[in-house]
Amino acid sequence: AQKVTQAQTEISVVEKEDVTLDCVYETRDTTYYLFWYKQPPSGELVFLIRRNSFDEQNEISGRYSWNFQKSTSSFNFTITASQVVDSAVYFCALSDSNSGYALNFGKGTSLLVTP
Amino acid sequence: ETGVTQTPRHLVMGMTNKKSLKCEQHLGHNAMYWYKQSAKKPLELMFVYNFKEQTENNSVPSRFSPECPNSSHLFLHLHTLQPEDSALYLCASSQDTGRDGYTFGSGTRLTVV
Repeated sequence: AQKVTQAQTEISVVEKEDVTLDCVYETRDTTYYLFWYKQPPSGELVFLIRRNSFDEQNEISGRYSWNFQKSTSSFNFTITASQVVDSAVYFCALSDSNSGYALNFGKGTSLLVTP
Repeated sequence: ETGVTQTPRHLVMGMTNKKSLKCEQHLGHNAMYWYKQSAKKPLELMFVYNFKEQTENNSVPSRFSPECPNSSHLFLHLHTLQPEDSALYLCASSQDTGRDGYTFGSGTRLTVV
C-alpha cells in the first residue's frame, strides 16, 4: 500500500502565483519523520525540510512554508510568489520503523512555473 | 558538488553487457542506498548498506548486484539487463538510519537497448 500520496501529478502556475503541493502519509508509528525534496532537471534530489512527528509547528523558510497536520496526516508545502527557478519535481517522503527508517517517497509533483 | 558523486552520468548498454555504476560519498556517512527512478513511478528503494553490511534488498532481480567495499563507496553491478531496467539510478547516503534525511547524488541515467 502506498504510504505517501501526492495526488497532484503536475501543476502549472504563472510566476508570482502562490502554489501548494499536497502530501498525505500513512503510518502506524507514533514516531516518524517527514521530508520534502526538490528534483531539478539536473537530477539530484535536494533536501528541503525534515519534520519529526512530535513537532507540529509550521515552518517558514523564505518563500517556502510547510503545514504539518497530524489530524489529517498531511504535510503540505507552499511556495509563495513562485519563480521560474522553482520549476522541478517535488517529492514528499516518510521515514518510519516499518521500513527500518529508510525513506519511502511519494510519486512526486511536477511543478512548472512560467514567466 | 553535493558530497555524493555518481559515475557515469549516462550509460547506454546492450542486454548482454556487463557494466557497473559507482557511487562515492565524502560526508563521513555510514549508510548508503541505491534507488531506482522510472518514469511515472515512485522512487524505488533497491538496496541499503549500513556500515558496509547489506541490511535491505527490496526483492531486486539478481541481474542487479550491489557491492559496498567500505562506507564511502557503493557499486551497482549490472548484467543481462532488460529494456524495462532503463531508469535513473540514484545513490544516497546518510548518517545512521536516515532519520535526518539523505544526501543524494545526481544519478546515472541508464538506457538498456
